[in-house]
Amino acid sequence: EDQVTQSPEALRLQEGESSSLNCSYTVSGLRGLFWYRQDPGKGPEFLFTLYSAGEEKEKERLKATLTKKESFLHITAPKPEDSATYLCAVNTDKLIFGTGTRLQVFP
Amino acid sequence: DVKVTQSSRYLVKRTGEKVFLECVQDMDHENMFWYRQDPGLGLRLIYFSYDVKMKEKGDIPEGYSVSREKKERFSLILESASTNQTSMYLCASSPRDRRYQPQHFGDGTRLSIL
Repeated sequence: EDQVTQSPEALRLQEGESSSLNCSYTVSGLRGLFWYRQDPGKGPEFLFTLYSAGEEKEKERLKATLTKKESFLHITAPKPEDSATYLCAVNTDKLIFGTGTRLQVFP
Repeated sequence: DVKVTQSSRYLVKRTGEKVFLECVQDMDHENMFWYRQDPGLGLRLIYFSYDVKMKEKGDIPEGYSVSREKKERFSLILESASTNQTSMYLCASSPRDRRYQPQHFGDGTRLSIL
């Protein structure tokens, strides 16, 4: 059965304290992995698409990487405005979402 | 930027009512989707559509139906609302090659069934 698991469920960071979020998956026929950011009461906002192992994408303080079994979202020197839930989703013949990592960054 | 608009942010209905949730996208996308999002369960696909008047069941279609009469509009219908349908409902759209293109989401409708 196709499965996507995100860890940790929740993460508290001090401003400037870098860390990584993990998304591991077991699927057949991966056709891309997507990262989204979701603020409370809002819909998911698209961040990155990764298509093949070894690929990396960056946007401001965020960097996403992909291997054959997992993806990491690295957050460098986070700020309070980076606080949100981060979702990953793998694309097979449909989109399968993880349950997200809730990130809180404190000043 | 892609704009997906859901007609209501918050909605309160009573058990047994027929409920309509509306979604409009402005990017001429062929594909449209309805999800529900519940704590600890993530996003689950209810129905999707690849074209006007076409629809396909997702993972949890029971108790729901959909309508797509125009390319830009996709409606979710709760035929007879029940309390277990209280949830956040999210609409999304993507271009035709859904296997490689990300879906873009609206801001959701938080539906409460009393």
